[in-house]
Amino acid sequence: GDSVTQMEGPVTLSEEAFLTINCTYTATGYPSLFWYVQYPGEGLQLLLKATKADDKGSNKGFEATYRKETTSFHLEKGSVQVSDSAVYFCALSEGSGYSTLTFGKGTMLLVSP
Amino acid sequence: DAGITQSPRHKVTETGTPVTLRCHQTENHRYMYWYRQDPGHGLRLIHYSYGVKDTDKGEVSDGYSVSRSKTEDFLLTLESATSSQTSVYFCAIKTSGTNTGELFFGEGSRLTVL
Repeated sequence: GDSVTQMEGPVTLSEEAFLTINCTYTATGYPSLFWYVQYPGEGLQLLLKATKADDKGSNKGFEATYRKETTSFHLEKGSVQVSDSAVYFCALSEGSGYSTLTFGKGTMLLVSP
Repeated sequence: DAGITQSPRHKVTETGTPVTLRCHQTENHRYMYWYRQDPGHGLRLIHYSYGVKDTDKGEVSDGYSVSRSKTEDFLLTLESATSSQTSVYFCAIKTSGTNTGELFFGEGSRLTVL
């Protein structure tokens, strides 16, 4: 079945540092890939997505590129802020209809001033 | 804002008691989902619905049942709560016209079973 593996946290960075959170996936078809973010005490928000190979999703300074050859979708940001402290989830979906999301276990990011 | 309301937001109950969590949406979307979130496990699918009275099981459905008697409400029931069901429960919807699979989530319901 489908699965998503992402790096364990917490990831601890200083403000303005470069961020990478690794995500790899296993899927039977050609999934869409997502990053969700969860701020403390809140629900999950869609951060960015990519629907086919070589697509780059971007939002709020975060980027991730759909790499079919390495089955990866790593999240990056050039300069993190304290307000980026949250839990980040990588996820995939096999398609339309009632397709469900399969999530990684989440990576906590802590950014200090 | 996808118009999702979960209730209750917090609940403490005792082992063996029944519990029902409600997910309400205001936009008549067809697909609705229940996930649970636990440390070290991420989010795992419990049940989902693809229409009124049409539901199916997810990967962690044991001990849970669901009902959808009208489009706007998707209920998750724990017939006899156990401590292993202490978790944060999230409802999600897939908005109409979305064909790339993303879901939109409610704020969550934190359940503690003593």
